[in-house]
Amino acid sequence: DTGVSQDPRHKITKRGQNVTFRCDPISEHNRLYWYRQTLGQGPEFLTYFQNEAQLEKSRLLSDRFSAERPKGSFSTLEIQRTEQGDSAMYLCASSLVGGWQNSYEQYFGPGTRLTVT
Amino acid sequence: AQSVSQHNHHVILSEAASLELGCNYSYGGTVNLFWYVQYPGQHLQLLLKYFSGDPLVKGIKGFEAEFIKSKFSFNLRKPSVQWSDTAEYFCAVRDTGGFKTIFGAGTRLFVKA
Repeated sequence: DTGVSQDPRHKITKRGQNVTFRCDPISEHNRLYWYRQTLGQGPEFLTYFQNEAQLEKSRLLSDRFSAERPKGSFSTLEIQRTEQGDSAMYLCASSLVGGWQNSYEQYFGPGTRLTVT
Repeated sequence: AQSVSQHNHHVILSEAASLELGCNYSYGGTVNLFWYVQYPGQHLQLLLKYFSGDPLVKGIKGFEAEFIKSKFSFNLRKPSVQWSDTAEYFCAVRDTGGFKTIFGAGTRLFVKA
């Protein structure tokens, strides 16, 4: 399977715990995005990477959230001291931009559903 | 700030009925426009996109969308829906000068067999 993968698919945690999610993009894609989706809403942008550089963070992303993309390959999203309001589906997407290939089409992973109890 | 508005949250149609899902966006500059679809239990996937040129774009599975710049709209259409079109549909907009894609809240379509 050469699509975007995310791990875990489901995570249940208690309030106050830290959680970390992983995203593996399509291998040749240089851009990687994180979104959050709550019930009845579309994906909301959280942050994005161009290769290993994190170029933008949404104001939705509080200081408890951190994302990394070491070596420009997989990415992790960590949430510290989780709150019930963090319960959502966390989506990862990747795209290939630059050179002759500038489609900006984002390929989405299956998401990680986080439930904070 | 950019925003995307999808007019209907839920649509129920019978098979063979025609479909039109509304999408309006607010942004004064040049944009790229997308419709994504999420079938039950599956990932979000691209249905069609508009970058430039002919404002009537055709996508997969018989879907098409028309970009009307003066109305800031990008409505999705299909002349005859099938039961397998049951899904959630998201309109999205990207500022060509940026990187961020803004999604609408989605429209859930249910097609009765």
